Amino acid sequence: AQSVTQLGSHVSVSEGALVLLRCNYSSSVPPYLFWYVQYPNQGLQLLLKYTSAATLVKGINGFEAEFKKSETSFHLTKPSAHMSDAAEYFCVVTTNRDDKIIFGKGTRLHILP
Amino acid sequence: DGGITQSPKYLFRKEGQNVTLSCEQNLNHDAMYWYRQDPGQGLRLIYYSQIVNDFQKGDIAEGYSVSREKKESFPLTVTSAQKNPTAFYLCASSLGFGSPLHFGNGTRLTVT
Repeated sequence: AQSVTQLGSHVSVSEGALVLLRCNYSSSVPPYLFWYVQYPNQGLQLLLKYTSAATLVKGINGFEAEFKKSETSFHLTKPSAHMSDAAEYFCVVTTNRDDKIIFGKGTRLHILP
Repeated sequence: DGGITQSPKYLFRKEGQNVTLSCEQNLNHDAMYWYRQDPGQGLRLIYYSQIVNDFQKGDIAEGYSVSREKKESFPLTVTSAQKNPTAFYLCASSLGFGSPLHFGNGTRLTVT
């Protein structure tokens, strides 16, 4: 069985500061991990994915995430926040063996001017 | 361009009426999903389908029904039995196990 926990339902950072959104997972088999972004009144858009290749994954809009098996984490980072990054972010875990897709509860990112 | 189309964007209905939300994809994906999103509750799975003419209940299927007669289409009917239907509904598709989901832009349903 899989599960995912996103720490912090709201995160605020200043424009230009580091963005760090935390995600921890559990999985009894090798996981596939994803980060999605959702802007208001829109669907979710894939930011990046980890599927057992390189542990440091680069995504769109300057985001990246590092898969750390020892810490069961897949935190999302961006070196310098931009106002346009204000949105809700979801961490998702699944596997290539079954149809279970587990969503975290989401973290709303606020960018302070 | 390939993608998922949900229509309409906004939908208003009176209590006691059934309403059908449309979801069409031209990505040639086998799997399709319906999620419900409420403030502070993340996404909850209503129904999903891995193949034409087959579908499974998700975590909150009560008061909803679906059909999958064509690969491209996965309509969701919100019936009068759904006690709290006002929500944002998202349709998604994927190639299958382990593949990322592609989402439509959602339908916001308001029932009064």
